[in-house]
Amino acid sequence: AQSVTQPDIHITVSEGASLELRCNYSYGATPYLFWYVQSPGQGLQLLLKYFSGDTLVQGIKGFEAEFKRSQSSFNLRKPSVHWSDAAEYFCAVGPIIQGAQKLVFGQGTRLTINP
Amino acid sequence: EPEVTQTPSHQVTQMGQEVILRCVPISNHLYFYWYRQILGQKVEFLVSFYNNEISEKSEIFDDQFSVERPDGSNFTLKIRSTKLEDSAMYFCASTPFTRETQYFGPGTRLLVL
Repeated sequence: AQSVTQPDIHITVSEGASLELRCNYSYGATPYLFWYVQSPGQGLQLLLKYFSGDTLVQGIKGFEAEFKRSQSSFNLRKPSVHWSDAAEYFCAVGPIIQGAQKLVFGQGTRLTINP
Repeated sequence: EPEVTQTPSHQVTQMGQEVILRCVPISNHLYFYWYRQILGQKVEFLVSFYNNEISEKSEIFDDQFSVERPDGSNFTLKIRSTKLEDSAMYFCASTPFTRETQYFGPGTRLLVL
């Protein structure tokens, strides 16, 4: 069965520090991969996505993610976090097949920023 | 930039009552979805909808749930007889023809008392 694991439920970093949020997936083949962010009281905003090609993808707000097939991972990184990055981050996978594709989400990682 | 919108943002209802959650997908999108997120848990897929019929549904989407696209712009989720465990945030999403990226609305927080 498809699954997504985000091992870290809660991470705290200082403003200006670097960030890496982990995501591992279990899938029959390489899926589409996504990172979404949910700010308090807000919906899910797409940060970035990977479909194929270059395994390092750039997203909005200075985020990037690297797809590593051998590790079934799609970790999210940012070199220097800002207080406004405090939010919940969700990794998700979707199948590369015909028809409507449901997304399978990880548990989410809550990011707290210390001033 | 076009957005998915959802109404209401919050709804409180009594157990056993019917609720209808409304969504307006992005105008040129063709595939529509409902997800839910129980507090502290994962976002879970409920149902996908294309060409006026359900494409896929999860085991959560039982006979108490139904979806409809009553006109060219709205997409609704109806819960016929709400249960306490239906309390959750409900997200609508839509994708264009390419189906690659799902765009989510801000959600409706449903509280069943």
